[in-house]
Order: sequence, then structure tokens, then C-alpha cells
Amino acid sequence: DIQMTQFPTTLSASVGDRVTVTCRASQSVSDWLAWYQQKPGKAPKLLISKASTLEGGVPSRFSGSGSGTEFTLSITNLQPDDSATYYCQEYGSLGTFGQGTKLEI
Amino acid sequence: QGQLVQSGAEVRKPGASVKVSCKASGYTFIKYHIGWVRQAPGQGLEWMGWISAYSGDTDYAQRLKGRVTMTTDTSTNTVYMELRNLRGDDTALYYCARGTGGYNYYSLWGQGTMVTVSS
Repeated sequence: DIQMTQFPTTLSASVGDRVTVTCRASQSVSDWLAWYQQKPGKAPKLLISKASTLEGGVPSRFSGSGSGTEFTLSITNLQPDDSATYYCQEYGSLGTFGQGTKLEI
Repeated sequence: QGQLVQSGAEVRKPGASVKVSCKASGYTFIKYHIGWVRQAPGQGLEWMGWISAYSGDTDYAQRLKGRVTMTTDTSTNTVYMELRNLRGDDTALYYCARGTGGYNYYSLWGQGTMVTVSS
């Protein structure tokens, strides 16, 4: 199975900041990469698919980039509601998730 | 839009089996596949496998092969996930989720089913 390595594990930022989360695949997944947001006690919410395609209703402050083995999720103008754990997932092979990045604001 | 409703919490002893159901509504069941994702308490998401609701074709994560079976019942729009020979580290919240465009990324999720393995 493909391994997905996500970093940092935790991230602390302030309202209005810009943050970046990185996800690295053990082999190329082309652009078959999704990003999710999960809040405590809730199911994950899909933010981005195909590395950079924003899902409907997701604020444009969220953006994704990358291809092959290296991907990033960026969030600009951080809001208190962005406090959550963020996961990447490759779906070019099976569906392996990264370990998650907990964002504290 | 659709909805996935999962069965209720389960408690099992080590070595036992558990079968969790996921009932779909509000969309054409056979047009999408269903994936299963689990999350141990305080831990991250683990992809377990997927099943085609139409054909019943499956694929499973390597580490679970031999212990997990996913099945589909098109007469009731329900998918099942059975996990056998349970261990303590199988204690987790189990989610079903609907695949998108034939791929294993998920925009529709069930509410989760807590499975506790304890002697």
C-alpha cells in the first residue's frame, strides 16, 4: 500500500494567519489526492479533490496544490471555525489517509 | 443528495466477529460504491476497503485482508462490513462513506458505529 506522510502533526496559529499543511506520498499518486476537515465528534468533511478542486460550499480561503508525491493544503485568513484536524487521502491506489494535522487557533 | 444510516454501537469479546450495516437513501444506490473508514479513539483515519454497490466487487487494505468482508444487498440498499477475529486494537468508530465518480474519496458519510472489543 502507498504510505502518506503528513506534517506538521500539530499547528498553532492566530486568526487572520495563513497556514500550510504538507502531505507526501511514498510513490506517485498523480493528482488523485483529497483533503478533509474533521471536527471532534463529527464525520470528516471533504474540502478538496483532485489535489486542487474545491468542493462546493467550501470557502475560497482553502486551496490545494501539488502532484505526484508532494501536496499542500493552504488556508488563508484563518477563522476560529477552522480549528479542526485535517487529513490528506490518496485515492489513486486504494484510499490511504495521512496521519492528520491538528490546527489550533 | 443522499443519506447513509449505520447500525448501532456494538460490544464484542476478543476473537468474536461484528457486522455493521450502512443503509443508503436519497440517491441511486447502485451508481456509487461504498468505502469503510475507521478511527480508533483519539487516532487518525484508517481506510479499510470499498465495495461496488452494483457488482459487489471489493478491495481491502492489505493489513485487514483475511479478516474483513464487505457485502451489498441491492434489495434493501444496504452495505455490510464484517470484521472477524476481533482484537483490542479493532476498537474504533467505523464509518461508511459514499465514493465519488468511481473513486475512493468521500463526500457523503454515515454517522459512524462504535465497536468496542473488550474481555
